[in-house]
Amino acid sequence: EDQVTQSPEALRLQEGESSSLNCSYTVSGLRGLFWYRQDPGKGPEFLFTLYSAGEEKEKERLKATLTKKESFLHITAPKPEDSATYLCAVFQETSGSRLTFGEGTQLTVNP
Amino acid sequence: NAGVMQNPRHLVRRRGQEARLRCSPMKGHSHVYWYRQLPEEGLKFMVYLQKENIIDESGMPKERFSAEFPKEGPSILRIQQVVRGDSAAYFCASSPQGSNQPQHFGDGTRLSIL
Repeated sequence: EDQVTQSPEALRLQEGESSSLNCSYTVSGLRGLFWYRQDPGKGPEFLFTLYSAGEEKEKERLKATLTKKESFLHITAPKPEDSATYLCAVFQETSGSRLTFGEGTQLTVNP
Repeated sequence: NAGVMQNPRHLVRRRGQEARLRCSPMKGHSHVYWYRQLPEEGLKFMVYLQKENIIDESGMPKERFSAEFPKEGPSILRIQQVVRGDSAAYFCASSPQGSNQPQHFGDGTRLSIL
């Protein structure tokens, strides 16, 4: 069965303490992997798209990487405003145009 | 440059009533997607529409739920005879094309059933 699994479920960091979030997938025919950020009471905000293994994207303190089985979202020297739930989603050949989401990692950055 | 607009932001209905959720896509986007987020669960795909066409409704319950995206006006997700289990956040997303282009989301409609 196709699955998208994110770990950890929740992560607490001190300001400046770098870490990584994981998104592993067992889907066939991956055509794209997306990272989103979701704040409480808001919709997901698009961050990155990765299309092929080895690809990397960066934006401010965030860097996303992709392998054939998983993606990492690296957060360098996080700040309290980086606190949010981070979602990954995959787009497959066989899924039409739907995205299949993981359940997210809730990140809290303490000052 | 307005993003995806959803209204209402909050909707309260009694069991058996109808709920209508509206979504205006980003300017220049002609592809609309609806997702549902149940409490303590991830986002689940419901339906994908283009103007006047339902492309994929495989994630939508067969009974009571319907969606449309008319030539003019917003996309509508309609839930008839609501039940307690319909309580959730409903999100709309849009993209300029289908396929593997990023989908941009609105802030959702929180539906509560009394």
